[in-house]
Amino acid sequence: AQKITQTQPGMFVQEKEAVTLDCTYDTSDQSYGLFWYKQPSSGEMIFLIYQGSYDEQNATEGRYSLNFQKARKSANLVISASQLGDSAMYFCAMREGQGGRRALTFGSGTRLQVQP
Amino acid sequence: DVKVTQSSRYLVKRTGEKVFLECVQDMDHENMFWYRQDPGLGLRLIYFSYDVKMKEKGDIPEGYSVSREKKERFSLILESASTNQTSMYLCASRSEDRLNQPQHFGDGTRLSIL
Repeated sequence: AQKITQTQPGMFVQEKEAVTLDCTYDTSDQSYGLFWYKQPSSGEMIFLIYQGSYDEQNATEGRYSLNFQKARKSANLVISASQLGDSAMYFCAMREGQGGRRALTFGSGTRLQVQP
Repeated sequence: DVKVTQSSRYLVKRTGEKVFLECVQDMDHENMFWYRQDPGLGLRLIYFSYDVKMKEKGDIPEGYSVSREKKERFSLILESASTNQTSMYLCASRSEDRLNQPQHFGDGTRLSIL
């Protein structure tokens, strides 16, 4: 079964607008962490933001924020005031705690294109 | 800053060859990982290592092996390359085992098997 689901293969957004990239996850662990990465066309993976399952507040990092809805098992990435440089692939990933494996499990990604 | 270096950005090999992909990290991280990335499939874990000479299979280990003789270096080996191993390969490392530690990635190797 898919652990991480990203249902939007591609998204378009106008420059300066906000955009939400969806991510749902599946785990029976109480302790887990959720990560978002950005991959520009050059290929490197850039860590953006982290949300822990016990964190009471939604994570924020500059223009990135996480809309974390634990009961729905969703961890959507919100990018405010999009810039042309935000055009990239975005991956949601999860690591399960309490004896879960040490590696991240990734979703299939969303390609975001920011239009001028 | 953490630096994870993969030996090649682009590599072209022939079917049946033994292929070595090298990865070096400079931050004394215990954990190192190899993923392959294919369109529509995201990143899939091939192998990881949590200490020197220690390794565990990931989700798609068939056709691959790994070697970790030194803490900073983690090698992925394609024993007999096949065309279905044409892919982007990404190496990553992470420090201690706390849940909130992100994995740091190299720039990737685009491998083509002809």
